[in-house]
Amino acid sequence: KQEVTQIPAALSVPEGENLVLNCSFTDSAIYNLQWFRQDPGKGLTSLLLIQSSQREQTSGRLNASLDKSSGRSTLYIAASQPGDSATYLCAVRMNSGGYQKVTFGTGTKLQVIP
Amino acid sequence: DAGITQSPRYKITETGRQVTLMCHQTWSHSYMFWYRQDLGHGLRLIYYSAAADITDKGEVPDGYVVSRSKTENFPLTLESATRSQTSVYFCATTFGVSSYNEQFFGPGTRLTVL
Repeated sequence: KQEVTQIPAALSVPEGENLVLNCSFTDSAIYNLQWFRQDPGKGLTSLLLIQSSQREQTSGRLNASLDKSSGRSTLYIAASQPGDSATYLCAVRMNSGGYQKVTFGTGTKLQVIP
Repeated sequence: DAGITQSPRYKITETGRQVTLMCHQTWSHSYMFWYRQDLGHGLRLIYYSAAADITDKGEVPDGYVVSRSKTENFPLTLESATRSQTSVYFCATTFGVSSYNEQFFGPGTRLTVL
């Protein structure tokens, strides 16, 4: 059974700091991994999608890496801003018996202090 | 461009009642998904649909029924609501022809079953 872990569960950093969020998964037979942010009471906003054949993806101040063999992905946020405060979720997708299986981590709650 | 809309946004119902949560997309994407989000469990896939009249079970389908008569709508019905179905429900869709493409989420429906 795929298990996805995000550590730490919460993180508080001063504005301007570079930071790394971690996502670990137990089964490396994934199709892809997607990072989201979720603001309180809102839906999920897609940040980056990394296919299993890719090593990293970049979008603005965000860089996501994937090491499938070790079951790890990191989300790097450069020059953090108060607007980056949110919960960050990772989700891995795989095929299980012909059906899509999606497993989310429980998230890292990020607070960027002005 | 509304993207994905969900209705109602908030719903309170009683145990044993039938309730239907609506999901509508303006893009005519093939794939649509229903998730529930609970503290301690993260997001879990309930059902997904590849096209009109094609649906598949996700991780937690028991107690739920879906239909998809039109590409743009994907309603989720709780035929006899239970307290354990109190949750936040999210609808999602993917661009393109693959169910593994980047997922985009609606704003969610907060359901309380008394």
